[in-house]
Amino acid sequence: QVQLVQSGAEVKKPGSSVKVSCKTSGGTFSSYVISWVRQAPGQGLECMGGIIPMFGTANYAQKFQGRVTITADESTSTAYMELSSLRSDDTAVYYCARGEQVGPVDYWGQGTLVTVSS
Amino acid sequence: DTQMTQSPSSLSASVGDRVTITCRASQGIVNYLAWYQQKPGKVPKLLIYAASTLQSGVPSRFSGSGSGTDFTLTISSLQPEDVASYYCQKYNSAPGTFGPGTKVDIK
Repeated sequence: QVQLVQSGAEVKKPGSSVKVSCKTSGGTFSSYVISWVRQAPGQGLECMGGIIPMFGTANYAQKFQGRVTITADESTSTAYMELSSLRSDDTAVYYCARGEQVGPVDYWGQGTLVTVSS
Repeated sequence: DTQMTQSPSSLSASVGDRVTITCRASQGIVNYLAWYQQKPGKVPKLLIYAASTLQSGVPSRFSGSGSGTDFTLTISSLQPEDVASYYCQKYNSAPGTFGPGTKVDIK
């Protein structure tokens, strides 16, 4: 049974950074795409980027280039998403999600609420 | 990045109605298109992939079609449990951009 378990909710100040983790179990970590998708309150799904751990290089959506860093640790089957220069409109639920290299998302993490507030 | 659009943004239909949602990609994506259903407070659920392949366990009233840039999700007979938001996603290349979503309600 594949599971993606994310770290807990965060409250951050504007201008700071947040790092969310996603620990996977029950499947092969290295050869799948781990994507990060966020959803602001009452809004739609927004893909921030993803990584294939065995290759180690992340791809980012243009909107988040320069502000997001996605990494993966094969030794612990854990992926990370770090978002910097936080603004109030970064308040959202952040999901990690797993899919095949050219395939849809088949498993999702439970989501991590990040609240940015002064 | 390839942009994805969806129409309508919301719809209200009666139980038993046929419902159609359209998704358009700004560039051709062959059939690398998935549809997800998301109910309030829940994670998205994969309904269809490869534009028209039904995910295991998904009711047969859901179907998908299309290729290239234009795609359609159809619910043949709307049920109360289908109240949700529906998103298309392209996955031919990273990042896997989502459409803005369609909210489906019961009239």
